[in-house]
Amino acid sequence: EIVMTQSPATLSVSPGERATLSCRASQSVASNLAWYQQKSGQAPRLLIYGASTRATTIPGRFSASGSGTEFTLTISSLQSEDFAVYYCQQYNNWPRTFGQGTKVDVK
Amino acid sequence: EVQLLESGGGLVQPGGSLRLSCAASGFSFSTYGMGWVRQAPGKGLECVSVITGSGGATDYPDSVKGRFTISRDNSKNTLFMQMNSLRAEDTAIYYCARLTPYYVDYWGQGTLVTVSS
Repeated sequence: EIVMTQSPATLSVSPGERATLSCRASQSVASNLAWYQQKSGQAPRLLIYGASTRATTIPGRFSASGSGTEFTLTISSLQSEDFAVYYCQQYNNWPRTFGQGTKVDVK
Repeated sequence: EVQLLESGGGLVQPGGSLRLSCAASGFSFSTYGMGWVRQAPGKGLECVSVITGSGGATDYPDSVKGRFTISRDNSKNTLFMQMNSLRAEDTAIYYCARLTPYYVDYWGQGTLVTVSS
């Protein structure tokens, strides 16, 4: 099974600042990677698929890049509604596996 | 509007069984693969079952293989998961998920399954 490792575990950022989250796969997943956002007490929400394509209604301050084993999610200017936990997921191989999450909280 | 509404969660003893349901609306149900993703309390996400749009193919991770069975009724726009031989480590919120075609583009709000004596 492919192991997805996210870093850091927690990222403390001030509103308006830039946040950069990393996700590493234990073997290549090509561009078959998604990012999800989960707010406390809510279901996850799709942000990015295909490693870099924003899902419908996702604002432009969210961008992502990478392929193979190294991926990055960037939030260019954090808004109050962006403080949440972010998960990456590979869908190149079965079983589909998620990273353990990065919590973005207020500095 | 895509809606996924889970039901069937609850408290069950170790070794017991439970059947989850997910009522889907707002899209052509039979043309999408579907799945169940769980989240243990305070933990991350785990995909525990997937099924193709026709229902002809399914898959499971080793952690639930042989104990969980995913199925669907396309005439009723409903997804199911039969869970047998439940263990304490199966305690989690179970989310119904629409697949497009391999990642989740819509999630239900989840149903809590608690396995405890």
